[in-house]
Amino acid sequence: KAGVTQTPRYLIKTRGQQVTLSCSPISGHRSVSWYQQTPGQGLQFLFEYFSETQRNKGNFPGRFSGRQFSNSRSEMNVSTLELGDSALYLCASSMDRAGPGDTGELFFGEGSRLTVL
Amino acid sequence: AQKVTQAQTEISVVEKEDVTLDCVYETRDTTYYLFWYKQPPSGELVFLIRRNSFDEQNEISGRYSWNFQKSTSSFNFTITASQVVDSAVYFCALSRLDDMRFGAGTRLTVKP
Repeated sequence: KAGVTQTPRYLIKTRGQQVTLSCSPISGHRSVSWYQQTPGQGLQFLFEYFSETQRNKGNFPGRFSGRQFSNSRSEMNVSTLELGDSALYLCASSMDRAGPGDTGELFFGEGSRLTVL
Repeated sequence: AQKVTQAQTEISVVEKEDVTLDCVYETRDTTYYLFWYKQPPSGELVFLIRRNSFDEQNEISGRYSWNFQKSTSSFNFTITASQVVDSAVYFCALSRLDDMRFGAGTRLTVKP
């Protein structure tokens, strides 16, 4: 059974650009959540999608957005990149609701490491 | 507000030693869930255990064991007879209705 797949694994952008990250959940999983991991702030919840609807959102500015498609694949977008957006972005999926409040196990991808120059 | 504290930033042990990773949490809710995840160098977080707030029974899984004590708001994780493959960053997390918080993580290095 294939795990959670995130693409691209590594990318470098410059300030002001925008970036789109992709996440393919485990087959059959309907819920996808996104996390940002930085050395300074640790792991922080970005948002969670279930059946194409955003169910929860963390405390991030509007430059961070996401969506989920009918096949449960999800994308997140960061516009007007800032240096502080450099981080490992992790996607997690679960069969039921993922992210905050869910009691189910979350399956994580290996992440997309974004560097903003 | 809820918060997870992992006071140990880094721990280094020699193979076969026992090691305990501490996790202290804060929440006003009576219903919540606690998790431990392992993050190897490859980056993905691997689920280790989930415990709900009504189940204080300790759990043992092979060399891993968890001690949940509501009285001290702690959910500590012990690795018995550590191995080099246990080297990773370990995260404790607290989940309630609309929020999930991770601790800062503890980097465990097991030396041969």
